[in-house]
Amino acid sequence: QVQLLQSEAEVKKPGASVKVSCRASGYAFTGYGISWVRQAPGQGLEWMGWTSTYSDDVKYAPKFQGRVTMTTDTSTSTAYMELRSLTSDDTALYFCARGNYYIHWGQGTLVTVSS
Amino acid sequence: EVVLTQSPGTLSLSPGERATLSCRASQSVSSNYLAWYQQKPGQTPRLLIYGASSRATGIPDRFSGSGSGTDFTLTISRLEPEDFAVYYCQQYGSSFTFGPGTKVDIK
Repeated sequence: QVQLLQSEAEVKKPGASVKVSCRASGYAFTGYGISWVRQAPGQGLEWMGWTSTYSDDVKYAPKFQGRVTMTTDTSTSTAYMELRSLTSDDTALYFCARGNYYIHWGQGTLVTVSS
Repeated sequence: EVVLTQSPGTLSLSPGERATLSCRASQSVSSNYLAWYQQKPGQTPRLLIYGASSRATGIPDRFSGSGSGTDFTLTISRLEPEDFAVYYCQQYGSSFTFGPGTKVDIK
């Protein structure tokens, strides 16, 4: 069955960076792109970006352009999302999701930014 | 960037009633690439509808999607107790964006 397994929760200080991983299994990794979506406590879903898993194509939401990098490693079927210059506003649950509309989601990685 | 607006923000209804949720886009959604999700507290979102009107696998037929261009609707024909949740629309025709959500709560 399709699974997206994300890395464990992180606690970071303001100004730091965080890198979240998403390991895919149960399907051909290069058959679908991977999106990253975040959800701050009590808030809605926010799309951050999308990366192709077979080319260098990547799309970022304007809000995160310049502060986020999304990559993939086809040898391990893993996608990565790195977010830099963290502030308390980046405290959120970060999800990876497969494809253009999202049947399959990772379990979420809680990133807490606190001094 | 395509901005999605959802209305109402909150919909208070009783079980058995019909729910009509609206999603409006700031520009035409390419190929009607519009999806709807349901999210309950502590859970990941669940895909209900894709392509504006196609039900995802396993979704009950009381959920239906309609619309085209800039105006889309999710209808729940008869609310079941498990349908009280937050609903989001998402467009994937021009990059990707989510709407702010509509909360359906018990009246």
